[in-house]
Amino acid sequence: GAVVSQHPSWVICKSGTSVKIECRSLDFQATTMFWYRQFPKQSLMLMATSNEGSKATYEQGVEKDKFLINHASLTLSTLTVTSAHPEDSSFYICSARRTSGYNEQFFGPGTRLTVL
Amino acid sequence: GDSVTQMEGPVTLSEEAFLTINCTYTATGYPSLFWYVQYPGEGLQLLLKATKADDKGSNKGFEATYRKETTSFHLEKGSVQVSDSAVYFCALSLTGTASKLTFGTGTRLQVTL
Repeated sequence: GAVVSQHPSWVICKSGTSVKIECRSLDFQATTMFWYRQFPKQSLMLMATSNEGSKATYEQGVEKDKFLINHASLTLSTLTVTSAHPEDSSFYICSARRTSGYNEQFFGPGTRLTVL
Repeated sequence: GDSVTQMEGPVTLSEEAFLTINCTYTATGYPSLFWYVQYPGEGLQLLLKATKADDKGSNKGFEATYRKETTSFHLEKGSVQVSDSAVYFCALSLTGTASKLTFGTGTRLQVTL
């Protein structure tokens, strides 16, 4: 149990286009989901915390208009990278916190975004 | 701010060798400490944790002891297996696993026969 999926697993897009990444908790309900970004050989950096039915909380330095987060249900959160540029190329990872039971974050496998 | 520093990889070991991956931290409060493991193509999984000084977390033969005096949480395993090949992340949180996690850069472990 406690599986989190991400889709797509990798995406290549042209500069200026928008890309949507989905994060789903497959077998549990998640009130809270987290979005992380990881550059090569660097740490996972928390970008934002999303709570179902409310606005996401962004970390300092993360542009909320650039990285749109929607958490419309207890099993789905989406991250949309708007007007993507090459510097947005990165590995995006989500995690989900179970609504009930043991309080732990479960991580998705990540999405590799490459912007040409 | 809070930060985690862990040894750079990759670490290459022969099967049955002893493993140590160093991790030190800086935190303003009293953090909980974690080790996560990421196998190829999979998400990060919690390997073990410790919530206060001198606690020892253990799982699957891996151990780590929360050392407040040296601000360290080194990961050890007495005899590694090929199946332990993965990337290991040290992390801290000031309010438990379900809140903001601060990660180290990750250490890739490659175990060979």
